[in-house]
Amino acid sequence: DSGVTQTPKHLITATGQRVTLRCSPRSGDLSVYWYQQSLDQGLQFLIQYYNGEERAKGNILERFSAQQFPDLHSELNLSSLELGDSALYFCASSYGDAPNEKLFFGSGTQLSVL
Amino acid sequence: AQTVTQSQPEMSVQEAETVTLSCTYDTSESDYYLFWYKQPPSRQMILVIRQEAYKQQNATENRFSVNFQKAAKSFSLKISDSQLGDAAMYFCAYRSAQIAGNQFYFGTGTSLTVIP
Repeated sequence: DSGVTQTPKHLITATGQRVTLRCSPRSGDLSVYWYQQSLDQGLQFLIQYYNGEERAKGNILERFSAQQFPDLHSELNLSSLELGDSALYFCASSYGDAPNEKLFFGSGTQLSVL
Repeated sequence: AQTVTQSQPEMSVQEAETVTLSCTYDTSESDYYLFWYKQPPSRQMILVIRQEAYKQQNATENRFSVNFQKAAKSFSLKISDSQLGDAAMYFCAYRSAQIAGNQFYFGTGTSLTVIP
């Protein structure tokens, strides 16, 4: 168990809908990262937050947004969902945001858009 | 952007034998970090081993070791005495040593099967 908690584990929804994925980092970790894993794109970095502030942005669509709250948990909001958004969404955390830090991953949220 | 290439989509190994997974990367940076992550059927990504580019010595973690060739931009993972629990998807990853935007870049993965 990595200590990173993601909910829900599975999510099935329809095109055009909006969903929220939740992540609780390991106790004491200040950084949260979101990744999308799909069969055709592999693991893609979406966004990183450090102590409540956005630190780095990757290939995140405008329909997607995220935030990190004062208690350090994070939420990834996906709106106007399309079939192609079906993927496994990972959250990871680390204590800081130094490049040598290890990331600890949650078990992911499997999103299916029908 | 940096790219990470894993040219072996699938590999298999007999239990107790040794297997090597390949990874190459492309970067113009001189300082960076390389990682191998394991993703078993449970889906969770687990860190296997980490290598700092400025260190010439290859990293080792129990049965796992790497062969880091900086000039060739190669970072292979050797698993010795393979066990059934090693069966998983293995991802090679690169991370810049620069603070800003130091995201991970992952390869496409190698699926490892361990044959009893």
